[in-house]
Amino acid sequence: NAGVTQTPKFRILKIGQSMTLQCTQDMNHNYMYWYRQDPGMGLKLIYYSVGAGITDKGEVPNGYNVSRSTTEDFPLRLELAAPSQTSVYFCASSLRGSMNSEAFFGQGTRLTVV
Amino acid sequence: QKEVEQNSGPLSVPEGAIASLNCTYSDRGSQSFFWYRQYSGKSPELIMSIYSNGDKEDGRFTAQLNKASQYVSLLIRDSQPSDSATYLCAVNAGNTGKLIFGQGTTLQVKP
Repeated sequence: NAGVTQTPKFRILKIGQSMTLQCTQDMNHNYMYWYRQDPGMGLKLIYYSVGAGITDKGEVPNGYNVSRSTTEDFPLRLELAAPSQTSVYFCASSLRGSMNSEAFFGQGTRLTVV
Repeated sequence: QKEVEQNSGPLSVPEGAIASLNCTYSDRGSQSFFWYRQYSGKSPELIMSIYSNGDKEDGRFTAQLNKASQYVSLLIRDSQPSDSATYLCAVNAGNTGKLIFGQGTTLQVKP
């Protein structure tokens, strides 16, 4: 029972490089989310998706892009990495969007931009 | 802007005591409220959810919700050293499942 799986777990990028953070879930959840967590802070929403083919911006979308071609996968793309994107990234999914919308999180990707 | 506020702590309690964690939120339209536990270097883990006013108990954990005061709390009875973690309060204010998180309260349970 894998739940939400993120890869890679750790990554170091140089300024200006690009990368894709992978996220897949096997719970058949329609709703998926990308959050970032800076040290000592709560999580902030980057992008979310309410179903395949539908994505929307969250609170801090600048410098990121997403796609949702299947129910299972929700990759996050970083273009032209900047030191401000050094953070821990969490992917999450939930079955519903309103009541009883408990979100389940992946193990996180720790990204350092140098 | 919708906000969720928590005291960052650390909150230090002796083993066996009751730990009380508090959270306030700004959006009166919020419908669902969650407490996540996060150990250092790990991902958030859901421990309690509450949707209506009053108390909800699950083992040693009790969540309390007061929508009139826009206040959510988490009580941990018989605190154990293994409860030492950061506790994140999260609020769902819409129908897309988006969560707004507080900054978290660090709990230290001393043997």
